[in-house]
Amino acid sequence: TQLLEQSPQFLSIQEGENLTVYCNSSSVFSSLQWYRQEPGEGPVLLVTVVTGGEVKKLKRLTFQFGDARKDSSLHITAAQPGDTGLYLCAGEKEYGNKLVFGAGTILRVKS
Amino acid sequence: GAGVSQSPRYKVAKRGQDVALRCDPISGHVSLFWYQQALGQGPEFLTYFQNEAQLDKSGLPSDRFFAERPEGSVSTLKIQRTQQEDSAVYLCASSLVYDRNYGYTFGSGTRLTVV
Repeated sequence: TQLLEQSPQFLSIQEGENLTVYCNSSSVFSSLQWYRQEPGEGPVLLVTVVTGGEVKKLKRLTFQFGDARKDSSLHITAAQPGDTGLYLCAGEKEYGNKLVFGAGTILRVKS
Repeated sequence: GAGVSQSPRYKVAKRGQDVALRCDPISGHVSLFWYQQALGQGPEFLTYFQNEAQLDKSGLPSDRFFAERPEGSVSTLKIQRTQQEDSAVYLCASSLVYDRNYGYTFGSGTRLTVV
């Protein structure tokens, strides 16, 4: 049973389109981290959200943590082919402890 | 080194064979994690070290899996009598002093295929 449910599993869009990836759970997390993973590489941290309701922006990427700290979303504006990759959300139950990952969203941006 | 180094990058093992996977964390990093990533899935926690102490091994799927970090730096994940279901990418991650804003640095992983 996946503790963190990500949707959609796969997304194929044209360059310039907007998209949102969702990460949902019935559990409360002390923080939620978003990673991007390319084929043959390990995940690379994009952002960490900690406070319920928090919104963080990283260039064209906007991350939001739900008020109850059970869910999060990643919104990409004007997607570029370089955004192609596997996006993973990961919840941290206790500070500095193991992460619980979602199954990931494969994003493909076509030029 | 500049990053977390894992070796070998690829390993093909015959069913029943023992394998050893190595992780060289960034020098001085205190925390070290092992994760297992099956095809099409997110990483799943296996075990956690703080220096040489193994603080959590609750994710190890069976007693065929064993991890060590004897001097608090390099870590080895050993799998005995490999089975087909062990086929996955094994990721190692480390951090100096954990800061959630920086997360962990992951290695590129070892892809294990059991035939």
